[in-house]
Amino acid sequence: GDSVTQMEGPVTLSEEAFLTINCTYTATGYPSLFWYVQYPGEGLQLLLKATKADDKGSNKGFEATYRKETTSFHLEKGSVQVSDSAVYFCALSDHGSGNTGKLIFGQGTTLQVKP
Amino acid sequence: DTEVTQTPKHLVMGMTNKKSLKCEQHMGHRAMYWYKQKAKKPPELMFVYSYEKLSINESVPSRFSPECPNSSLLNLHLHALQPEDSALYLCASSQAGSRYQETQYFGPGTRLLVL
Repeated sequence: GDSVTQMEGPVTLSEEAFLTINCTYTATGYPSLFWYVQYPGEGLQLLLKATKADDKGSNKGFEATYRKETTSFHLEKGSVQVSDSAVYFCALSDHGSGNTGKLIFGQGTTLQVKP
Repeated sequence: DTEVTQTPKHLVMGMTNKKSLKCEQHMGHRAMYWYKQKAKKPPELMFVYSYEKLSINESVPSRFSPECPNSSLLNLHLHALQPEDSALYLCASSQAGSRYQETQYFGPGTRLLVL
């Protein structure tokens, strides 16, 4: 079945450092790919998405490119801030359930940014 | 506006109690979801409603009973829960209908503690 693998955390960075969180997927067909962020004590917020190969999603300085050849969707940010500390989930949308895309999540990566 | 609201924010209940969680969205979305999230884990899908009909039940115990009274509302009725049911319960919605309308938007969650 479809699956998503994320790098294990926690990832600890100093403020203004470069961030990469790796995400690879296994899927039949052509899933849509998402990054969600969860701040402490909150629900999930959509950070960015890409629906087809070579699409780049971007938001709030974060970027990820849908790479079909490497089945990857790595999250990057050029300069992290303390306020970026959160758990980041990579997910794909499984189209096997008719018109409602079932989300398959990676295990999540905790990011801690220190001043 | 991409807001999904959930009430209550916190809930403490005994194993013999009956309670309900409520979710509301006014984005015109026709698919709504319940997820359960344990600490430091990704969300696990419980139920999906599409056009007010239950389309996915991920083998959830019958002590959880979903209800979709209209296209904007989703309830989760709880009865005779166990302590291991303590978790964050997340609601989400999406437009449904095609793969390009499948982005799920999450509410802030209800943190449930079963004593």
